[in-house]
Amino acid sequence: KAGVTQTPRYLIKTRGQQVTLSCSPISGHRSVSWYQQTPGQGLQFLFEYFSETQRNKGNFPGRFSGRQFSNSRSEMNVSTLELGDSALYLCASSLRGVSPLTEAFFGQGTRLTVV
Amino acid sequence: QKEVEQNSGPLSVPEGAIASLNCTYSDRGSQSFFWYRQYSGKSPELIMFIYSNGDKEDGRFTAQLNKASQYVSLLIRDSQPSDSATYLCAAQNAGNNRKLIWGLGTSLAVNP
Repeated sequence: KAGVTQTPRYLIKTRGQQVTLSCSPISGHRSVSWYQQTPGQGLQFLFEYFSETQRNKGNFPGRFSGRQFSNSRSEMNVSTLELGDSALYLCASSLRGVSPLTEAFFGQGTRLTVV
Repeated sequence: QKEVEQNSGPLSVPEGAIASLNCTYSDRGSQSFFWYRQYSGKSPELIMFIYSNGDKEDGRFTAQLNKASQYVSLLIRDSQPSDSATYLCAAQNAGNNRKLIWGLGTSLAVNP
């Protein structure tokens, strides 16, 4: 069973540019969550999509947006990049079923560097 | 503000010892709890989950949950140098759209 796939793995962008990151969840998983991780800040929740609808949102500016497609694949977009956006961006997929227990499985992440 | 707190460490233990990692949470509505391990430069990987009071064992790992005191712990028996990593604790509320609340993680160093 394939795991969560994130592309690209590494990215270098210039301030002011925009970037799109992609995440393909585990087959059968309909929930995709995005996180930003920087040293000392831990995992910062960006948003969660389930069945193409945003279900949860973190405290990030509107420059950060996402979407989910009918096949559950998700994309995250950051516009007008700032130096502080340099981070590891992680995607996690889960079943998000009826049970309250919803294990999340992470992709390898996309390391974004803004110069 | 719903929070999950962990001692940042580093927690240093000798090889073969028991490593004890603790986590407290503020949301009494939290029902499910997860422990993830993250090696430097890698993504978090799920070690264990627990949702009932008491202990849950899986190999060298034991998760403990005490809902009355609002804490979760992870014990690693016979610690190995390969266990050296950051351990993240997460709590999930069945309501609130089942959002996961994450701790900042505890860094564990197992010394040979």
